[in-house]
Amino acid sequence: KAGVTQTPRYLIKTRGQQVTLSCSPISGHRSVSWYQQTPGQGLQFLFEYFSETQRNKGNFPGRFSGRQFSNSRSEMNVSTLELGDSALYLCASSLLAEYRPTDTQYFGPGTRLTVL
Amino acid sequence: GESVGLHLPTLSVQEGDNSIINCAYSNSASDYFIWYKQESGKGPQFIIDIRSNMDKRQGQRVTVLLNKTVKHLSLQIAATQPGDSAVYFCALYGGGKLIFGQGTELSVKP
Repeated sequence: KAGVTQTPRYLIKTRGQQVTLSCSPISGHRSVSWYQQTPGQGLQFLFEYFSETQRNKGNFPGRFSGRQFSNSRSEMNVSTLELGDSALYLCASSLLAEYRPTDTQYFGPGTRLTVL
Repeated sequence: GESVGLHLPTLSVQEGDNSIINCAYSNSASDYFIWYKQESGKGPQFIIDIRSNMDKRQGQRVTVLLNKTVKHLSLQIAATQPGDSAVYFCALYGGGKLIFGQGTELSVKP
């Protein structure tokens, strides 16, 4: 079974631009979560989507948004990029079901975003 | 809010020795704990998990121990190998999301 895939793997943008990152979960997984990883703050939760609905959201400004499609694929968007948005953005998918409210999250390789 | 603390940011062990990586957490309501391994340039890789109704779980060369009384989680790696060199994160599920510790960088000396 293929793992979580993320595209693109690397991205360079300038301040003020916007960016869209894509994530394809493991086949059959319905939950997709996004995390930001930086050397200073570590791994921080951005948001989680389940069946096209945002279920949980972390403490990030409204410039960070996401969505999930009917095939469970997800995108996240960052508008008006700032230097501090430079980070590794990780996507994770999990199976989840009504009888399993928490389940193992499997991560993709991440998208390395550099903002100049 | 929920937080996960780490005991040591780095750990160096000799090849073949056992490694122990520790984590502490603040909220006793957490019921699901996970250890991840992250190698350079890659995303975190699931190692092992444990739910709060257990205090020990074993995998292949790894054991996770959960002490709910003192809110402490540990990962033991038996016969550590050079391929085990990586950053190890503990995480817990709280408030609908995974909360990560800062990570311990494990270095294995040949």
